[in-house]
Amino acid sequence: DAKTTQPPSMDCAEGRAANLPCNHSTISGNEYVYWYRQIHSQGPQYIIHGLKNNETNEMASLIITEDRKSSTLILPHATLRDTAVYYCIVRVAYSGNTPLVFGKGTRLSVIA
Amino acid sequence: EPEVTQTPSHQVTQMGQEVILRCVPISNHLYFYWYRQILGQKVEFLVSFYNNEISEKSEIFDDQFSVERPDGSNFTLKIRSTKLEDSAMYFCASRGNSGNTIYFGEGSWLTVV
Repeated sequence: DAKTTQPPSMDCAEGRAANLPCNHSTISGNEYVYWYRQIHSQGPQYIIHGLKNNETNEMASLIITEDRKSSTLILPHATLRDTAVYYCIVRVAYSGNTPLVFGKGTRLSVIA
Repeated sequence: EPEVTQTPSHQVTQMGQEVILRCVPISNHLYFYWYRQILGQKVEFLVSFYNNEISEKSEIFDDQFSVERPDGSNFTLKIRSTKLEDSAMYFCASRGNSGNTIYFGEGSWLTVV
């Protein structure tokens, strides 16, 4: 079972920042926070991951609270193409072949 | 950018027929996975594979399913005798030896009629 809690849906105006929250209050010290998204039944797409420091790449920023019990994925300037289901997943670092476990995610709708 | 490729993109098959879904993982990746997603439902883990053997499998992955790495590039999922409830999108994924990120293909949509 997924060890994260996400709101089922969110709306965001095009051009504005989309802030997607995730609660992972039972996260262990050796678990990373991963974010993936799925655009209309395409394959899940990797976005970003982090352990305890904030991370940024060309797609998004990841803010992890100091106690690591929650995080926020930030899409700085959402576009219509960012409409997707976003999944927050915790996974042990360098965990061999342990699979990702997907929950229901947050359905983000970017509105023009 | 390297990617996981899957074929076919869509297959329609009669109930009871055998189906083989094919995947070419990212070059030099060593860990392989199959997932499925029934329409409108969650992405579900089926099986993971490393060093020519199954590492982990879910309860969905019963005796009707098998996986194989027949050569150095392909990774296949076989469903021996398809059932209506096997209709789903099947995703292949792979991971490198040094990184921890799993990358997914675009999926094969299987329709059993």
